[in-house]
Amino acid sequence: GNSVTQMEGPVTLSEEAFLTINCTYTATGYPSLFWYVQYPGEGLQLLLKATKADDKGSNKGFEATYRKETTSFHLEKGSVQVSDSAVYFCALSDQGGGADGLTFGKGTHLIIQP
Amino acid sequence: DTAVSQTPKYLVTQMGNDKSIKCEQNLGHDTMYWYKQDSKKFLKIMFSYNNKELIINETVPNRFSPKSPDKAHLNLHINSLELGDSAVYFCASSPRDSEQFFGPGTRLTVL
Repeated sequence: GNSVTQMEGPVTLSEEAFLTINCTYTATGYPSLFWYVQYPGEGLQLLLKATKADDKGSNKGFEATYRKETTSFHLEKGSVQVSDSAVYFCALSDQGGGADGLTFGKGTHLIIQP
Repeated sequence: DTAVSQTPKYLVTQMGNDKSIKCEQNLGHDTMYWYKQDSKKFLKIMFSYNNKELIINETVPNRFSPKSPDKAHLNLHINSLELGDSAVYFCASSPRDSEQFFGPGTRLTVL
């Protein structure tokens, strides 16, 4: 079956630090990959996505590249802000996120200190 | 506003009761889902509906039943509530072959 493994937090960084949150996956076929963000007390928001190998998703300064050879989709940001503090979820779908449910990692709690 | 909405936002109830959570989307999406998020933030798919047809039914107790009166609504009914049902439940929707859009969540507390 499908699975997603991501580093568990909390991850604590200072403002303007470089961020990497690792994510690796196991899937049959060719999944689509997603990063979702959950701010305190809110639902999940799509941060970025990639639907095929070597695609790079990007949004709000965050980036992630779909690496089929290493089955990875690591999230990066060059300079984090306090407002980036949230829980980040890596997820995959076998069918582009449409009719299939998403398989989520356990989430990484990111804390940015001023 | 175009969105996925859920009611209620908070639900506190006694063990053994029956309760429902409502979900509506005005995005015109084909598929709707229910997810459960436990106390450790782990998210797991419970159900999905595509054009009023159940597609996925994970290993969820049959006390949980999704009901879809139309394409824009997917309600979650829970019978004989147990302590372990306490969690945050998220509704989501998606167009065909695209990412999912999530509602704000319903925090269920069973006492």
